[in-house]
Amino acid sequence: EVQLVESGGGLVQPGGSLRLSCAASGFTFSTHWMSWVRQAPGKGLEWVANIKQDGSDKYYVDSVKGRFTISRDNAKNSLYLQMNSLRAEDTALYYCARDHKYESSDNWGQGTLVTVSS
Amino acid sequence: DIQMTQSPSSLSASVGDRVTITCRASQSISSYLNWYQQKPGKAPKLLIYAASSLQSGVPSRFSGSASGTDFSLTISSLQPEDFATYYCQQSYSTPHTFGQGTKLEIK
Repeated sequence: EVQLVESGGGLVQPGGSLRLSCAASGFTFSTHWMSWVRQAPGKGLEWVANIKQDGSDKYYVDSVKGRFTISRDNAKNSLYLQMNSLRAEDTALYYCARDHKYESSDNWGQGTLVTVSS
Repeated sequence: DIQMTQSPSSLSASVGDRVTITCRASQSISSYLNWYQQKPGKAPKLLIYAASSLQSGVPSRFSGSASGTDFSLTISSLQPEDFATYYCQQSYSTPHTFGQGTKLEIK
């Protein structure tokens, strides 16, 4: 069974940093693109970033470019999102997702909540 | 960035109804269009990928279609468990933008 478990969320002050982790199991992690998607409270879904199987290609939504870094460790079956210079508008539930055919996301974690507030 | 315009934003329907949700892309996205269902407090669930391919395990009452830059999700006969919020997403180019969502409510 595919499992994705996010961790690392919490309350952080504006300008602060957090590192989110996503532990993957039940599939061959190194053969899939992986993504981060976020959802602000009561709002819709926003794609944040994705990363190629070997980590050589990474893409970001403009609003996080230069502040967030996606990475992965295939030996540890783990995906990461380093978030720096956090802003109130980054407050959201952050999901990691496994990419599937046509770059859809066929498996999602339960999410980890990031709250940016003073 | 490619904009995805989803309509309607909300919809009231009854069990057994046939409903259609539409999504329009601001430019050509070939068939790189996905549909997700999200229930309150839960992660999204992939229903349809590549515009019309049914994800494994998804009931056949869900179907997707495409015409140019216009895409549709149809539920042929609503079941109680189908009341949820639905999102389209283009995965043709990054950022993989989502539509704003359609909340499907019980009439």
